Amino acid sequence: DADVTQTPRNRITKTGKRIMLECSQTKGHDRMYWYRQDPGLGLRLIYYSFDVKDINKGEISDGYSVSRQAQAKFSLSLESAIPNQTALYFCATSPRLALLNEQFFGPGTRLTVL
Amino acid sequence: KNQVEQSPQSLIILEGKNCTLQCNYTVSPFSNLRWYKQDTGRGPVSLTIMTFSENTKSNGRYTATLDADTKQSSLHITASQLSDSASYICVVSANQAGTALIFGKGTTLSVSS
Repeated sequence: DADVTQTPRNRITKTGKRIMLECSQTKGHDRMYWYRQDPGLGLRLIYYSFDVKDINKGEISDGYSVSRQAQAKFSLSLESAIPNQTALYFCATSPRLALLNEQFFGPGTRLTVL
Repeated sequence: KNQVEQSPQSLIILEGKNCTLQCNYTVSPFSNLRWYKQDTGRGPVSLTIMTFSENTKSNGRYTATLDADTKQSSLHITASQLSDSASYICVVSANQAGTALIFGKGTTLSVSS
């Protein structure tokens, strides 16, 4: 969905490096999420934010941190990358007043940690 | 433990044929059930969202059903097209806030000509 963009789309890094994945949206949504997808597994929630001053841990937040710089921007950081953080990372957004909280996903960032 | 199981894991059909994908879940509490389509190299795109009280919901050639008593859902694709080749993911939400989504592993559908 072009309304939710992620950069970079692909990244290869080495163990111990600090990595930042960025997400921007033009949907005007208040809520933003970071997920990771591993082969053979369902998506899992890392962090979510309901507005600029709200940050919450998801199911698998260890080893990750986030920053909500503005309503439209939500960044995911790996302070010291390790190989088992190799995965496909998705950012998602949803509007605050949506009855069923439908989420709209970005195109994903493929991260490889060597 | 909250779980969403999908079957089959993969499926190959001929263009123009119909198919049905299955989803069984053990999630409590239950808020809603979603089906997403994920093309290779892309993010998931929502097809349908159903609440407890809805039995059927359609989106073009896609029709989802929900049986909340047996905790089963299906996604029926009619007159398949090559562009339907993708992974179809069943997702159950355990709350209305959308912060407790349990994702299935997906069914990979390949439509051949």
